[in-house]
Amino acid sequence: KNEVEQSPQNLTAQEGEFITINCSYSVGISALHWLQQHPGGGIVSLFMLSSGKKKHGRLIATINIQEKHSSLHITASHPRDSAVYICAVSRSNYQLIWGAGTKLIIKP
Amino acid sequence: DTEVTQTPKHLVMGMTNKKSLKCEQHMGHRAMYWYKQKAKKPPELMFVYSYEKLSINESVPSRFSPECPNSSLLNLHLHALQPEDSALYLCASSPGQTNEKLFFGSGTQLSVL
Repeated sequence: KNEVEQSPQNLTAQEGEFITINCSYSVGISALHWLQQHPGGGIVSLFMLSSGKKKHGRLIATINIQEKHSSLHITASHPRDSAVYICAVSRSNYQLIWGAGTKLIIKP
Repeated sequence: DTEVTQTPKHLVMGMTNKKSLKCEQHMGHRAMYWYKQKAKKPPELMFVYSYEKLSINESVPSRFSPECPNSSLLNLHLHALQPEDSALYLCASSPGQTNEKLFFGSGTQLSVL
């Protein structure tokens, strides 16, 4: 079993829909990261959180430390949100343990 | 300036060539990273420099040689690569301590023929 599991692996939705991507982890962490990667491109760090909830524009990330679970929500989704969304957790050093990613496609 | 700049964006090299990948940031970050990413896989950490000293080497073959000439620059020297080394090479930086937000460059797509 992977230490960081994401679901779903693939998600296709219509423009305007509310999107939820889930991440569960099985190890102790110091922080959880949500990152975005467009095809062929670099990676953008969206959030780093260790408790509670963070919001940036149409993106919301939550984490439940007791349940070892985090969610990334996108409100009013748009085709430009199409990308791979990756959950990763950090522990005590510079290492990240990465999830496999969720490929999101938003259709106009 | 919140950018990490990587050059070149694309590189094709033969197995006998020597080439270098470059990475630059001007955010005052003191930790810099090299990652390797194969298609449809998450990035794999290769090296971490912390305050210009090599902090982590993830058992990377010696045909990859990192260099951190100063706190803003990170190089990856390539020599005698194999076709299986073809991948996207990503540079990242963070302020300096562990468990901080990472800032990534757009990567160098490397093809080894």
